[in-house]
Amino acid sequence: NAGVTQTPKFRVLKTGQSMTLLCAQDMNHEYMYWYRQDPGMGLRLIHYSVGEGTTAKGEVPDGYNVSRLKKQNFLLGLESAAPSQTSVYFCASSSAGGPGTGELFFGEGSRLTVL
Amino acid sequence: AQSVSQHNHHVILSEAASLELGCNYSYGGTVNLFWYVQYPGQHLQLLLKYFSGDPLVKGIKGFEAEFIKSKFSFNLRKPSVQWSDTAEYFCAVSGGSYIPTFGRGTSLIVHP
Repeated sequence: NAGVTQTPKFRVLKTGQSMTLLCAQDMNHEYMYWYRQDPGMGLRLIHYSVGEGTTAKGEVPDGYNVSRLKKQNFLLGLESAAPSQTSVYFCASSSAGGPGTGELFFGEGSRLTVL
Repeated sequence: AQSVSQHNHHVILSEAASLELGCNYSYGGTVNLFWYVQYPGQHLQLLLKYFSGDPLVKGIKGFEAEFIKSKFSFNLRKPSVQWSDTAEYFCAVSGGSYIPTFGRGTSLIVHP
């Protein structure tokens, strides 16, 4: 029972490099999210998706892009990494409507360091 | 827009002490409320949730929370904490859009 899986779990980048974080869920959830977690800041929403082929900006979208080509996958891209993007990134998913709405299931996180 | 405020950023307790973590939200309509816990080095997991009905909600590991609509609050409580409760606790609210907003978290340290 995998739930939400994130890859990679750790990555070190140099300033200006690009990378993609992959999130996969096997719960047939409509909604998927990318959050970043920084000390004292809690979780801040980067981008989210309410269905295949749709994405929307969250609270802190600058410097990130996302794609949801398949319902089960949600990709987070950094085109030109900056030290300010050093963080722990969490992917989450949830069902849409009905019981359980808004309850998130999280991946184990991806720790990104930008030098 | 919805927002969440957690009053206590750092809490230090001894084992067997009682715990209450404050959470207030702002949103004008019907809300779903959550508490998540993040143990050291792990991802967030659901502690308890309120959607409707009885405003006193019981979760895992002896935690409970009370939804007080008039105060826009959803405080987390536990009568007697254990060392294993050391973790970070997040309150979250989702309103009409179903997109949750998280508070900044409360770091709880329980001394044995």
